[in-house]
Amino acid sequence: DAGVIQSPRHEVTEMGQEVTLRCKPISGHNSLFWYRQTMMRGLELLIYFNNNVPIDDSGMPEDRFSAKMPNASFSTLKIQPSEPRDSAVYFCASITNPGNTQYFGPGTRLTVL
Amino acid sequence: QQQVKQSPQSLIVQKGGISIINCAYENTAFDYFPWYQQFPGKGPALLIAIRPDVSEKKEGRFTISFNKSAKQFSLHIMDSQPGDSATYFCAASILTGGGNKLTFGTGTQLKVEL
Repeated sequence: DAGVIQSPRHEVTEMGQEVTLRCKPISGHNSLFWYRQTMMRGLELLIYFNNNVPIDDSGMPEDRFSAKMPNASFSTLKIQPSEPRDSAVYFCASITNPGNTQYFGPGTRLTVL
Repeated sequence: QQQVKQSPQSLIVQKGGISIINCAYENTAFDYFPWYQQFPGKGPALLIAIRPDVSEKKEGRFTISFNKSAKQFSLHIMDSQPGDSATYFCAASILTGGGNKLTFGTGTQLKVEL
């Protein structure tokens, strides 16, 4: 199994630009989570989907952030416009539902200049 | 709102020693308590987990101790090795009807010295 796949692994962009992060969950997993990790705030849940439907987006920091899951094998997290304070590592994780273990991808390190 | 409090923030242990990381939670509806291990440049990975119907779970050198009445749980790493140097996160979730949504602690950076 290839595990959770995220792309790109690193992204450097300038303030104001649109950023799109991509995630492919493990095949057969029906729940997907987006997290943000920073030194100051630790691991924060941004949004999660069950069966491609957004269930809880209360962690999305503001309207500049949006996430979609058009099918069971693909999800995107978009930031438009990006700001320097968005610089962080963004993780995607997937899990079978019901299930216990979230499997994390390798993350995307985003730097907004 | 920080629902899972973790301490210490960092920890240095000598090789062969015992590493202890503590967590406390507030929401009594939590019924699943995993620990995740994260190495630099990698995503977190499940290390060990416990349900509240048992007070202890051991897997190799890793043990979770759980105190339901105190709403606390801890990770013990016996015979700590340099390869254990990583960041450890405790977490909590509501499995039934909770959507497996994990609430993470703030993490503990463990360094095991030779």
